[in-house]
Amino acid sequence: GAVVSQHPSRVICKSGTSVKIECRSLDFQATTMFWYRQFPKKSLMLMATSNEGSKATYEQGVEKDKFLINHASLTLSTLTVTSAHPEDSSFYICSARVRGGVSNQPQHFGDGTRLSIL
Amino acid sequence: AQKVTQAQTEISVVEKEDVTLDCVYETRDTTYYLFWYKQPPSGELVFLIRRNSFDEQNEISGRYSWNFQKSTSSFNFTITASQVVDSAVYFCALSEATGANSKLTFGKGITLSVRP
Repeated sequence: GAVVSQHPSRVICKSGTSVKIECRSLDFQATTMFWYRQFPKKSLMLMATSNEGSKATYEQGVEKDKFLINHASLTLSTLTVTSAHPEDSSFYICSARVRGGVSNQPQHFGDGTRLSIL
Repeated sequence: AQKVTQAQTEISVVEKEDVTLDCVYETRDTTYYLFWYKQPPSGELVFLIRRNSFDEQNEISGRYSWNFQKSTSSFNFTITASQVVDSAVYFCALSEATGANSKLTFGKGITLSVRP
């Protein structure tokens, strides 16, 4: 149980393109989803916390107009990288916590999306 | 502020050796949760264990064992009789008990390479 599906797994596109990444909880409802960014051989950096039906909470230094997050349902959150540039190339991973779960519940992670901007 | 330190960056062992991955944490909360995740080369994060701050009992799961010591703020992970499939990056993480939005703070990860 507790499967999180992330799509697409890999994206290669031209500079200036907007890219949408989907994160779905397949067998549970997730009031809260998290979006992380990971540079090569680096740790996971939390970008934002996404709550169903409300605005996302962004971490300091993360541009909310650049990284648009929508959490329209209890099973789907999307991250849109707007007007992507080469410096946005990275590995993006989402996670979800079971609805009603508190901090002692593990976050379940998607498989990640490798974004490459040419 | 909470912090997780994984001082070891890369470890290389030969198959069947035992290996311990260290994790030291800092938090001001008296209630908190500690996690270990595994990230194989394919990239996904695999949940391994959760431990709350009130439970200092060590845990063993097959070849994996965890040693939680509040006195030294450490939560170390030992793999016994390592196998090539154990090669991955291992992250230790900390979460404070502040509700569903509480964040995970990750360490920098330890790259474990198990050679045949």
